Amino acid sequence: AQKITQTQPGMFVQEKEAVTLDCTYDTSDQSYGLFWYKQPSSGEMIFLIYQGSYDEQNATEGRYSLNFQKARKSANLVISASQLGDSAMYFCAMTYNAGGTSYGKLTFGQGTILTVHP
Amino acid sequence: DSGVTQTPKHLITATGQRVTLRCSPRSGDLSVYWYQQSLDQGLQFLIQYYNGEERAKGNILERFSAQQFPDLHSELNLSSLELGDSALYFCASSAWTGNGYTFGSGTRLTVV
Repeated sequence: AQKITQTQPGMFVQEKEAVTLDCTYDTSDQSYGLFWYKQPSSGEMIFLIYQGSYDEQNATEGRYSLNFQKARKSANLVISASQLGDSAMYFCAMTYNAGGTSYGKLTFGQGTILTVHP
Repeated sequence: DSGVTQTPKHLITATGQRVTLRCSPRSGDLSVYWYQQSLDQGLQFLIQYYNGEERAKGNILERFSAQQFPDLHSELNLSSLELGDSALYFCASSAWTGNGYTFGSGTRLTVV
């Protein structure tokens, strides 16, 4: 079974500063995929970034980067130059991979509420 | 628009009633997943369909059922509704290959 743990119920950051949202995972699978999603107050789930377990480089997507430490089973999200619009709930999730492709259900963490102050 | 369409967006119904939530996946995606998001349980996987067949089941109650039709749209049926079924229900779709899971905007169900 897969498990995702997000230990920060809430985080605060000043606008234009960087912030790290923590995510640790547990799985017996050798091949898996890790995701981060953003859920603003409107409720939709917005895909941010993906990391495959065999990817050697940390994933980056614009202001988002994923700090992947496989031995520690952590997949922290780093948001650089925070903006007011980044205020939202953030979910870490994982799934199985096979042949480099993610498939199957997503297992989510409990989420972290990020508040960006002006 | 994510490409995954969920209807209705909001639903208010009474305890004991039955409702149907509908999901049209992104064009070309064969897999449909249903998730329930509630304050106490977080985001929980309910069920997955792939090309019309049930592929995986999660924490789905016996009062709930789903199906995927030949045109690949899916419906989640919730019956004998209880107050605790009030939640945001998401549908997501994915292609067989690739790492893209696309979520719909969700159906917010309120049971009164």
